[in-house]
Amino acid sequence: EAAVTQSPRNKVAVTGGKVTLSCNQTNNHNNMYWYRQDTGHGLRLIHYSYGAGSTEKGDIPDGYKASRPSQENFSLILELATPSQTSVYFCASGDARGRNTEVFFGKGTRLTVV
Amino acid sequence: AQSVTQPDARVTVSEGASLQLRCKYSYSGTPYLFWYVQYPRQGLQLLLKYYSGDPVVQGVNGFEAEFIKSNSSFHLRKASVHWSDSAVYFCAVRSSNTNKVVFGTGTRLQVLP
Repeated sequence: EAAVTQSPRNKVAVTGGKVTLSCNQTNNHNNMYWYRQDTGHGLRLIHYSYGAGSTEKGDIPDGYKASRPSQENFSLILELATPSQTSVYFCASGDARGRNTEVFFGKGTRLTVV
Repeated sequence: AQSVTQPDARVTVSEGASLQLRCKYSYSGTPYLFWYVQYPRQGLQLLLKYYSGDPVVQGVNGFEAEFIKSNSSFHLRKASVHWSDSAVYFCAVRSSNTNKVVFGTGTRLQVLP
């Protein structure tokens, strides 16, 4: 099964500070995704990537940047964290070949901005 | 742009009863459709997926879903639920040309013993 590892698992940040959430996958998937999960909103797509060097805006990209320096790693960056970004963040990876169309999720990062 | 609607935020059923969780999607092309389950404080796990072919797809733990193109629906069903099925269920659609995966707001299922 695909392995997606997120770090840190929990983070408390101060308003205005910079936060970097990291994600690593070991299955050579081309596509990687960052979502946030909030009650009443389900999972909302922030950024995604087709491969190393590429990033694409999802449905709620404002206030977030993404970086895909390699096939394995995909980071989500909050340059100026705000309390409204308090949430649980999930990274996922997936492939586009043949019938392997699903995405695999990490365990999530709980971010609190105070 | 694709989107998913799960109209029921919460569903409560008794153990042993049948279950249907509703999902409607919006996508102009041929969709890839999924159901995921999330147990407390965990990530999402795949239950089943529709790629092509038989519109009724079987998943893990006795779950199945039916793709009905004319209704843009992909409802999840189970003949007899168990208390351990209590969780949050998400429907998702993937674009066949952009690989963008969009999720619904989820349905929280509570199974009463």
